[in-house]
Amino acid sequence: AQSVAQPEDQVNVAEGNPLTVKCTYSVSGNPYLFWYVQYPNRGLQFLLKYITGDNLVKGSYGFEAEFNKSQTSFHLKKPSALVSDSALYFCAVRDYPRSARQLTFGSGTQLTVLP
Amino acid sequence: DTGVSQDPRHKITKRGQNVTFRCDPISEHNRLYWYRQTLGQGPEFLTYFQNEAQLEKSRLLSDRFSAERPKGSFSTLEIQRTEQGDSAMYLCASSLGVGGSMTPLHFGNGTRLTVT
Repeated sequence: AQSVAQPEDQVNVAEGNPLTVKCTYSVSGNPYLFWYVQYPNRGLQFLLKYITGDNLVKGSYGFEAEFNKSQTSFHLKKPSALVSDSALYFCAVRDYPRSARQLTFGSGTQLTVLP
Repeated sequence: DTGVSQDPRHKITKRGQNVTFRCDPISEHNRLYWYRQTLGQGPEFLTYFQNEAQLEKSRLLSDRFSAERPKGSFSTLEIQRTEQGDSAMYLCASSLGVGGSMTPLHFGNGTRLTVT
């Protein structure tokens, strides 16, 4: 079975500082990994994905994530945080090809960027 | 921008009543998903359609839940005999894909259900 863990419920960072939101996963096959962001009372917005290839993936709004197979991690990063980055972030995984096309989401990490 | 549209945004109902939600996906997307999200949790998969065919159903989807996508366009999710535990945000998402591909999901803003 596929699963994903986000070990931090809350991450606080000062504006202008680098940010990291952690994600680890468990699959039997090959992982397809995604990051989504959710603003209050809104649906989820896609940020970036890893399917194959370069371990460093760049996405929307200056975010990037690094795939680490040995540590089964896919941490989200940004070099310089903005107050507007404050939101709820979800990591998601699909176990390819064993799993069907559904994604399994983590429980989310609330990011607060302090001015 | 014709993103994924969900209706209604909010629904308050009494326990035991039936409710129906509608989702209009992005027009060219052939795949449609329903997820449920409760407070403090990530979305949980409920069911998946490719065109009009319902290909997967989660064990979370009890026999009180039914979903349809009759012409491969919009979809409806019906909950019969609602229970307080059904209170959640119901999210619809769509994507375009063939075979085993996994393109990003585009989510609607959800329908928030409150069962009193």
